[in-house]
Amino acid sequence: DQQVKQNSPSLSVQEGRISILNCDYTNSMFDYFLWYKKYPAEGPTFLISISSIKDKNEDGRFTVFLNKSAKHLSLHIVPSQPGDSAVYFCAAKTNYGGSQGNLIFGKGTKLSVKP
Amino acid sequence: ETGVTQTPRHLVMGMTNKKSLKCEQHLGHNAMYWYKQSAKKPLELMFVYSLEERVENNSVPSRFSPECPNSSHLFLHLHTLQPEDSALYLCASSQGPSPSYEQYFGPGTRLTVT
Repeated sequence: DQQVKQNSPSLSVQEGRISILNCDYTNSMFDYFLWYKKYPAEGPTFLISISSIKDKNEDGRFTVFLNKSAKHLSLHIVPSQPGDSAVYFCAAKTNYGGSQGNLIFGKGTKLSVKP
Repeated sequence: ETGVTQTPRHLVMGMTNKKSLKCEQHLGHNAMYWYKQSAKKPLELMFVYSLEERVENNSVPSRFSPECPNSSHLFLHLHTLQPEDSALYLCASSQGPSPSYEQYFGPGTRLTVT
């Protein structure tokens, strides 16, 4: 069963508007969450992260929100730019147990930003 | 070369072939990883190496055999693969296996098994 879910396989947004990518998780032991961005023919690159002790982390146009009670996080990109068009992966990891530090990924959401 | 490199970028092999995927990191990291990304599935962790020792093997079939001769190089030896093994194989590295270290990915090898 998937522990990290990205239920929207794709999202299309107009340039200049806000892009909101969503991610849900099931494992309450996850304590660190990351977003990766992947262009075609390239590996995923780290974008932004958030620790479970926070509910928001902002870096320029990118903000990640964490709602622990709902086991939900979201990535906001504002304003969206055509260069943001990529596949965005949500990932989570835990400090506990045999899988300490291992990244668990969602399936990804393909974002298309139209000029 | 900088970052994490992988060769070859594309590989087509028959089910009876033996081939190897190579990963090299130029970041001075101590941990390296192999991931598999199949179509419409999440990235799946296959192997973790820390200081050249395997620390995790996520129930991967023995037809996949990893090798880590030093902290900069990681190989994935392939033999008698199945068509369902066709996927994108990604290598990553981090300063250590701890959760607080970010993982840096290579561009991947697109493998097709015929």
